Amino acid sequence: SSELTQDPAVSVALGQTVSITCQGDSLRGYFAAWYQQKPGQAPVVVMYGKNIRPSGIPDRFSGASSGNTASLTIAGAQAEDEADYYCYSRGSSGKGVLFGGGTKLTV
Amino acid sequence: QVRLQESGPGLVKPSQTLSLTCTVSGGSFSSADYYWSWIRQPPGKGLEWIGYIFYRGDAYYNPSLQSRVSLSIDTSKRQFSLDLSPVTAADTAIYYCARLFLDDDGNSIFDFWGQGTLVTVSS
Repeated sequence: SSELTQDPAVSVALGQTVSITCQGDSLRGYFAAWYQQKPGQAPVVVMYGKNIRPSGIPDRFSGASSGNTASLTIAGAQAEDEADYYCYSRGSSGKGVLFGGGTKLTV
Repeated sequence: QVRLQESGPGLVKPSQTLSLTCTVSGGSFSSADYYWSWIRQPPGKGLEWIGYIFYRGDAYYNPSLQSRVSLSIDTSKRQFSLDLSPVTAADTAIYYCARLFLDDDGNSIFDFWGQGTLVTVSS
């Protein structure tokens, strides 16, 4: 399969923990990256590789991967985490890239 | 700091060619670590990768768009460009240029993005 599948919407209470998942065959060979996009802004990477968090991203964000599934977990969600989240992976052939359909997180 | 800036017409007529240019400032442009990319987002919808181009000119395209897309690069001007033809209303979207970085462990991320430019296809 050349697709990445995400749940369209997830909600979490303020301060609680939430996980967003992404499924796809390419994830068996490549780590996912996760992008956060707020309205009117370009996406920003919040997690990539084997649980690598770019500089400036709060440590409440973490990532995990197993088989064909990747997940982004936010421990103690804050109001500012409300956004659309997209998973990303290299294509199964190594050429090209894939985006998931996005998950709208409501806090 | 690396900055990317898209430029081009905001309105294109159906069946014509959508042409955009991305100008990069800061950082290395001709590096084996980067692929210069185009991504689009229809209003209210998700992200779609269009394609990327290496500084030497090698380009890879989304198979769903391959027959209509062409990327080019001018290292002397630190610019890369997108041509999409012919366009329909379904090509109306915010078009982003971005840098795809490949690290030593084989991870790839879009680490710098332009602000995006809305292109509307309408007569």
